[in-house]
Amino acid sequence: AQTVTQSQPEMSVQEAETVTLSCTYDTSESDYYLFWYKQPPSRQMILVIRQEAYKQQNATENRFSVNFQKAAKSFSLKISDSQLGDAAMYFCAGGVDSNYQLIWGAGTKLIIKP
Amino acid sequence: GAVVSQHPSRVICKSGTSVKIECRSLDFQATTMFWYRQFPKQSLMLMATSNEGSKATYEQGVEKDKFLINHASLTLSTLTVTSAHPEDSSFYICSARDPGGGIQETQYFGPGTRLLVL
Repeated sequence: AQTVTQSQPEMSVQEAETVTLSCTYDTSESDYYLFWYKQPPSRQMILVIRQEAYKQQNATENRFSVNFQKAAKSFSLKISDSQLGDAAMYFCAGGVDSNYQLIWGAGTKLIIKP
Repeated sequence: GAVVSQHPSRVICKSGTSVKIECRSLDFQATTMFWYRQFPKQSLMLMATSNEGSKATYEQGVEKDKFLINHASLTLSTLTVTSAHPEDSSFYICSARDPGGGIQETQYFGPGTRLLVL
């Protein structure tokens, strides 16, 4: 069985500062994939960043980067230079090869303070 | 690339009627599409996995006779809510997997459909 846990229901950060959102992913599979999706008020789910578990190097996409600690089952998302447009719900998700389904965390609401 | 459209974006219907929601992959062929339901302030709840040319696989607790899914082509999947009732009111989201897009588990999402049953 796979589980995804996001323990922060809400986070807030000052504009231009850095914030880290936490996620843990537990699976018995050795090969899996992890994702962070953003859902702004429009409710359109947008892929932010993705990571293959077998890769040592942490993924980065401009201001977004992950800190993947495989042994600790931790997959945190760091947002640098936070912008007002980053305000959204952020969902962590994980999946394995066998069925392509994703298991979703409960989400973290990110508030950006101007 | 990897754009998914969903239509309609919003629908209001009377109790007892059926509603069809379309999900299209615009610039790739999607062998697998997913249908989710999302309640306010909650995460996504997977309803079913739709594979082109075969029957959909429904998650436990989802009535397959009520939520009919058809994936007749590599770019189109439809969800029909039959005999809709007020408790079916929700936000329905589809996603599609792009088999040629790098990490194959990546899902690309449509903008969602807000269904209100009166």
